[in-house]
Order: sequence, then C-alpha cells, then structure tokens
Amino acid sequence: TQLLEQSPQFLSIQEGENLTVYCNSSSVFSSLQWYRQEPGEGPVLLVTVVTGGEVKKLKRLTFQFGDARKDSSLHITAAQPGDTGLYLCAGAGKSGGSNYKLTFGKGTLLTVNP
Amino acid sequence: DTGVSQDPRHKITKRGQNVTFRCDPISEHNRLYWYRQTLGQGPEFLTYFQNEAQLEKSRLLSDRFSAERPKGSFSTLEIQRTEQGDSAMYLCASSSYNEQFFGPGTRLTVL
Repeated sequence: TQLLEQSPQFLSIQEGENLTVYCNSSSVFSSLQWYRQEPGEGPVLLVTVVTGGEVKKLKRLTFQFGDARKDSSLHITAAQPGDTGLYLCAGAGKSGGSNYKLTFGKGTLLTVNP
Repeated sequence: DTGVSQDPRHKITKRGQNVTFRCDPISEHNRLYWYRQTLGQGPEFLTYFQNEAQLEKSRLLSDRFSAERPKGSFSTLEIQRTEQGDSAMYLCASSSYNEQFFGPGTRLTVL
C-alpha cells in the first residue's frame, strides 16, 4: 500500500498550458515537501509546507497543503519545457512519527512539449 | 555554494562483490540520510544519522548493508555480497532542520 498516492502518474502537455498534480494520503503529516528530479540526478527541493491550508508560491508554481495535512497539490501556470521532470511529494512525521524520515510518493512524470 | 556530493556517480559490479559508496553532506548539516530509488518508484528511506549516531534503520537495510558516519561528517554505505536486486540509485541527503537536500546519487548496477 502506497502511503502517498500521486496523480496523475504521467502527464504530457503543450507549452503554455496549466496543470495540477496531486498528492494524497490517509495519514496526517507534520510537513510535506515537493521535489523535482531529472533523469540520473537527485531530487531538488522546491518547497516545504507545514501548516494546514498553507499556500506557497514559487514563480509559476503554487503549492497547497490540505487543511487536514493529509494531501497537497502543485499547480503550474503557463508550463515551459524546462518544467519537464519527475515531481515527487514527500511527507515527514507520518501520524506523529519521526520527523526525519521522509515517505515519498511514486511521482508524477511531467513532459512539456515545445 | 557546495551541496551534497556522492562518489562514485556510477558503479557496475558483479554479483557477490562488495561495494562502498561515500556521501559528503552540506558542511553545517548534522543529519545525514540514505535512501534507495528503483525505476518508477520514489526514494525509500534506508537509514539516518544525527552527527555520528545512527538513529534509525529501515527493514530494507538487510544485514548485508552497513552505514557509518565515523566523525559526524562524511558517511559510507557498504553492501556486501551484492545481489541483482540491489541494483538501484542510492541517494544521500542532509539537513539541519526538516528540509532535506539530496546529492546526485550513485547508480549501482549488479550484473
């Protein structure tokens, strides 16, 4: 059973389109992090959300943490080919457990076509 | 600005051989983590250190795996008697608080 479900698993869009990817769990997390990973490289941290209902913006990327701290979404406006990559969500402090062990979803593989 | 570094970046070995990977964390970070990532999956937690103390180990870390962080700085991950199922990307991360920063990984291929 995957603790963090990410959807969709694959997404292919044209440059300029908007998109939203989701990260859902039945468990409560103390914080949730979003990463972007390119082939053959390690994940790069994009944002950390901590408070239920929190919204953070990073240029064209908007991240939201659910009120119950069980789910999160990432919205990209006017996607560009440079946004192509594997987007991973990772939760820490599952159900009051260790804040240091990250539980990852399988990721959403995004391809933005020129 | 130096991030997390890992060495080697790629390792090809024959089944039954021992391999060792090294991770150098961001210098002021006291926590260091090892994860394993297979194709089509997100990273899976293996173990973590606070300074030189290994505080948690996953069930994934069989007795063939051992990790050390002798002086609280760099860390090594050794796999003894490698098996084909050990083929994966081995990722190291470090943190001072909750945000973990990852290195580029070591890609292990066991033939």
